[in-house]
Amino acid sequence: AQSVTQPDIHITVSEGASLELRCNYSYGATPYLFWYVQSPGQGLQLLLKYFSGDTLVQGIKGFEAEFKRSQSSFNLRKPSVHWSDAAEYFCAVGGGSGNQFYFGTGTSLTVIP
Amino acid sequence: NAGVMQNPRHLVRRRGQEARLRCSPMKGHSHVYWYRQLPEEGLKFMVYLQKENIIDESGMPKERFSAEFPKEGPSILRIQQVVRGDSAAYFCASSPSAYEQYFGPGTRLTVT
Repeated sequence: AQSVTQPDIHITVSEGASLELRCNYSYGATPYLFWYVQSPGQGLQLLLKYFSGDTLVQGIKGFEAEFKRSQSSFNLRKPSVHWSDAAEYFCAVGGGSGNQFYFGTGTSLTVIP
Repeated sequence: NAGVMQNPRHLVRRRGQEARLRCSPMKGHSHVYWYRQLPEEGLKFMVYLQKENIIDESGMPKERFSAEFPKEGPSILRIQQVVRGDSAAYFCASSPSAYEQYFGPGTRLTVT
């Protein structure tokens, strides 16, 4: 069955520290992988996506993610977190061709000064 | 190019009333998806539509919920005879090619 697991419900980091948010997926076909960010009361904004090719993808706001097929993972990273990065982060997997997306339950990020 | 538009942003309905949620996709996007988000949960797929066609409604409850995407005008998610359990945020996403989705700001439905 298709699913996405984000093992960390909540993460707290200090401003300026590095960040890694974990995402594992289960998908029966070639996955298309996405990370979205959601601020309180807002919609989801696409941070980055992986379709094929280079397994390290760069996104907006200084984020990057690495696709590791052997581990079925697509972890999100940022070298230095800013206070404005505090939000909810969702990993999603889809198969293209109009197939539905499957979302993880999200990781809530708190940034402390 | 305006983003995905959803209205209303907030909707309050009493139990038994009907709720109509509207979604205008981005210009040039012919694929529309509806998702529901319950508090502290991820998004759950409901339905995928193209103009005048429902492509995948596997996530839609069998009763009281319906969706359409007419040739002209916005996509509509309709919930009849709402119950308290329908209270949630409903998000619409649109796509030009079905390979990536752009989300609207959502409609927050409260059933009293």
